[in-house]
Amino acid sequence: GENVEQHPSTLSVQEGDSAVIKCTYSDSASNYFPWYKQELGKGPQLIIDIRSNVGEKKDQRIAVTLNKTAKHFSLHITETQPEDSAVYFCAASFTSGTYKYIFGTGTRLKVLA
Amino acid sequence: GAVVSQHPSRVICKSGTSVKIECRSLDFQATTMFWYRQFPKKSLMLMATSNEGSKATYEQGVEKDKFLINHASLTLSTLTVTSAHPEDSSFYICSARSTPGNEQFFGPGTRLTVL
Repeated sequence: GENVEQHPSTLSVQEGDSAVIKCTYSDSASNYFPWYKQELGKGPQLIIDIRSNVGEKKDQRIAVTLNKTAKHFSLHITETQPEDSAVYFCAASFTSGTYKYIFGTGTRLKVLA
Repeated sequence: GAVVSQHPSRVICKSGTSVKIECRSLDFQATTMFWYRQFPKKSLMLMATSNEGSKATYEQGVEKDKFLINHASLTLSTLTVTSAHPEDSSFYICSARSTPGNEQFFGPGTRLTVL
């Protein structure tokens, strides 16, 4: 079945540095890739998403890139701030059918002040 | 926009009792809602997909008689954990899909503790 691998599992960066989280999916039919931020004890919050007809998308300090050939997609956070500290999840899905998400295993990001 | 609420946020119950969790989309209609379970420091595990007016579709390994799902309207889905046991203790999260679109908007979660 569909599988999404996510790396690294933990990431510590200094405030102001960049953070990169990578995901790899197995089902080449996947065509929608959202990223979620989850703070402790809360539900995940959508921060950015990308569809398979686009290679890159940016929203202020956050960007996502997609390589369909390699089945990789990555989250880039620039100028990190302490409030970026959280667990980040990638997911792969489809724009039709069940619309189910297959989540990655999560990355715990810690931004050190 | 796209706000999803869950009630209750926390519940503690005795073993053998049933617990109902509500998931509501507050400002949009959700044809499809999803129920997830999350263990500490783990990813979200999809339990079932709930479509308004029809039976839920359960993922492999999830007992449908244990976890009853009802999606009676376009803004409300409920998950009932029947005859709860300590191993059912977990963080339960719902999401709602906006129509049209792919985005799932998540509720704040419900922490269930079964004594």
